[in-house]
Amino acid sequence: AQKITQTQPGMFVQEKEAVTLDCTYDTSDPSYGLFWYKQPSSGEMIFLIYQGSYDQQNATEGRYSLNFQKARKSANLVISASQLGDSAMYFCAMRGMDSNYQLIWGAGTKLIIKP
Amino acid sequence: DVKVTQSSRYLVKRTGEKVFLECVQDMDHENMFWYRQDPGLGLRLIYFSYDVKMKEKGDIPEGYSVSREKKERFSLILESASTNQTSMYLCASSLEVAAVQETQYFGPGTRLLVL
Repeated sequence: AQKITQTQPGMFVQEKEAVTLDCTYDTSDPSYGLFWYKQPSSGEMIFLIYQGSYDQQNATEGRYSLNFQKARKSANLVISASQLGDSAMYFCAMRGMDSNYQLIWGAGTKLIIKP
Repeated sequence: DVKVTQSSRYLVKRTGEKVFLECVQDMDHENMFWYRQDPGLGLRLIYFSYDVKMKEKGDIPEGYSVSREKKERFSLILESASTNQTSMYLCASSLEVAAVQETQYFGPGTRLLVL
């Protein structure tokens, strides 16, 4: 069965520093997708970035990049030059045939950016 | 931009009441989802629908039902609300289910309190 683990329940980071949010996963699927979502205190889940298991390069979207290490089954989110508006919950999720293509979610990491 | 709206941001209901949570998407997406979010548990899938009048059980369907009479609208029904259904409810939509890269787009969520 597929599983997502986010080991950091909460993090404090100084504004303008880079942040790495950890995500490890477990699957026997050869083809799968990995997602990161941001949830501000307002509640809405905002899609940030996607990485496919066969993608040769790490995904990047603006200040977000995904450090994909397939052999270690990790998909860490890196936020460069953090801003106060980055304070939110961050969720890692994955999808594959094992889960009947439904998203499997981690428990989330609460990120607080300090001014 | 995809827009997913939910009928209420906050709801307070009494035990035993019938509760309707409405979700509407404006991007002609085939698939719609209802999740429940509780602290430390991530998101758990209640029901999803891949077509009008079609529904599939997710991981925690007990105590819930759904209705999809029109493509753009997906309703979650709590037949007899109980205190353990106090939670945040998130609706999402996507174009395709059986694609690892398919992104789900979320509404703002409904925080339900059952007294």
